[in-house]
Amino acid sequence: AQSVTQLDSQVPVFEEAPVELRCNYSSSVSVYLFWYVQYPNQGLQLLLKYLSGSTLVKGINGFEAEFNKSQTSFHLRKPSVHISDTAEYFCAVSAFSGTYKYIFGTGTRLKVLA
Amino acid sequence: DGGITQSPKYLFRKEGQNVTLSCEQNLNHDAMYWYRQDPGQGLRLIYYSQIVNDFQKGDIAEGYSVSREKKESFPLTVTSAQKNPTAFYLCASSISGESGTQYFGPGTRLLVL
Repeated sequence: AQSVTQLDSQVPVFEEAPVELRCNYSSSVSVYLFWYVQYPNQGLQLLLKYLSGSTLVKGINGFEAEFNKSQTSFHLRKPSVHISDTAEYFCAVSAFSGTYKYIFGTGTRLKVLA
Repeated sequence: DGGITQSPKYLFRKEGQNVTLSCEQNLNHDAMYWYRQDPGQGLRLIYYSQIVNDFQKGDIAEGYSVSREKKESFPLTVTSAQKNPTAFYLCASSISGESGTQYFGPGTRLLVL
C-alpha cells in the first residue's frame, strides 16, 4: 500500500521570499509523483509530475520539485512567491495495481503575505 | 477546448432526496473518477471507471452510485443513504495505462438544506 504525508498544513510566507512545501511518501513499488494546486472553490490543476528521468522537475508558474528516492520525498519549491500563489497544494502518488490509482496527501495551504 | 465539465456548480439536497452530479469530458480519456473533498482530509476516491459499462468502488462508495454508459460521461448519484453528503465533489479523467496522470473538473459543491 502507498501513503503520502504532507507535514505542513499551513505555510505562511512573505511575497518574493522562497518557499518549500514538503511531501514524503511510502510505497513498496515504483510510483509516479504529482503536485496539484487548488484555488478556492475550483478544481485541481496539475503543477508538475515525475514519471522517470531527471529527478528535478520543472512545472508551471515557476514551481519545481525534486524526487529523492533515498529519502522518499518530492518537495515542491519556488524561489520567489507572489500573492497569486496563495492556494492549497496537494501531493499525490500513483502506483499500478490493476489500474493506476492516486493517493493524495491532506494538502498544504500556502498563504503569501504582502 | 478540451476539458472536463461538471454541473451544477452548487447543488442543494433535501432530506431523503437523491441528487445527480454531472461529469462530462471531451479529452477522449478512457478512465474517469469521482472524489469527495472535505476540509483537512484531502481527496477520497468514491468510484472509478476504466471503460464504458464498467466501474469499481473506491474507498468511500457507500451511499453513492454511478453509471458509465458513454465514454464521455460519468454521472454520480448521491443517494438518501449518504447521511453526510455536504462536501466538494471532483471528477477527473485519465488515459488508461499511461502513468495515470489525472485531469480534474471544476467541482460541484453539495449542500444539505
